[in-house]
Amino acid sequence: QQQVKQSPQSLIVQKGGISIINCAYENTAFDYFPWYQQFPGKGPALLIAIRPDVSEKKEGRFTISFNKSAKQFSLHIMDSQPGDSATYFCAASIFSGNQFYFGTGTSLTVIP
Amino acid sequence: DTEVTQTPKHLVMGMTNKKSLKCEQHMGHRAMYWYKQKAKKPPELMFVYSYEKLSINESVPSRFSPECPNSSLLNLHLHALQPEDSALYLCASSQEWGRGKQFFGSGTQLSVL
Repeated sequence: QQQVKQSPQSLIVQKGGISIINCAYENTAFDYFPWYQQFPGKGPALLIAIRPDVSEKKEGRFTISFNKSAKQFSLHIMDSQPGDSATYFCAASIFSGNQFYFGTGTSLTVIP
Repeated sequence: DTEVTQTPKHLVMGMTNKKSLKCEQHMGHRAMYWYKQKAKKPPELMFVYSYEKLSINESVPSRFSPECPNSSLLNLHLHALQPEDSALYLCASSQEWGRGKQFFGSGTQLSVL
């Protein structure tokens, strides 16, 4: 059973546009939601993360929006650049527990 | 220092070879992980070491043998692998098992011929 559902599977955005990737979860015990960015041949790198006590977190061009009642969270990349082209994974975990689940990944291509 | 170092970066081995992957972190993390990642798929957890003890083995075949010599080092010994084992092998660490931020190495791209 997929603990974290991620969409879309792939996304093409024009340079300067907004990239939006969505994730949904079922387990209400999850309390930590990170996003990872992965370039080909490299390991995932932690991009930004959120706890459910806030509805939004922004770091530079990257913003996580969190909807606790809907059990959904999303990554917004503002002013998308070709260098943002990568695979993005959302994840969900219990911060003080021993469960950590990745979404299925989104391949983002930003075209000049 | 938030770095997890993996060696080698690339490895080609035959099905009868024995090789080892190495992982090192100096962040004082007490949990270390091995993941396997196929192209265009999320990482799949293989093993978790917590305080140098094997805590999780996700039904991984015995041809993969993990070892944690100390709190900073993690090895993955490989023997008699199959071509379908070709993948990117990732090491990660976190402050404690399952706690929040996992830091990943760049991985070892393994090809089994």
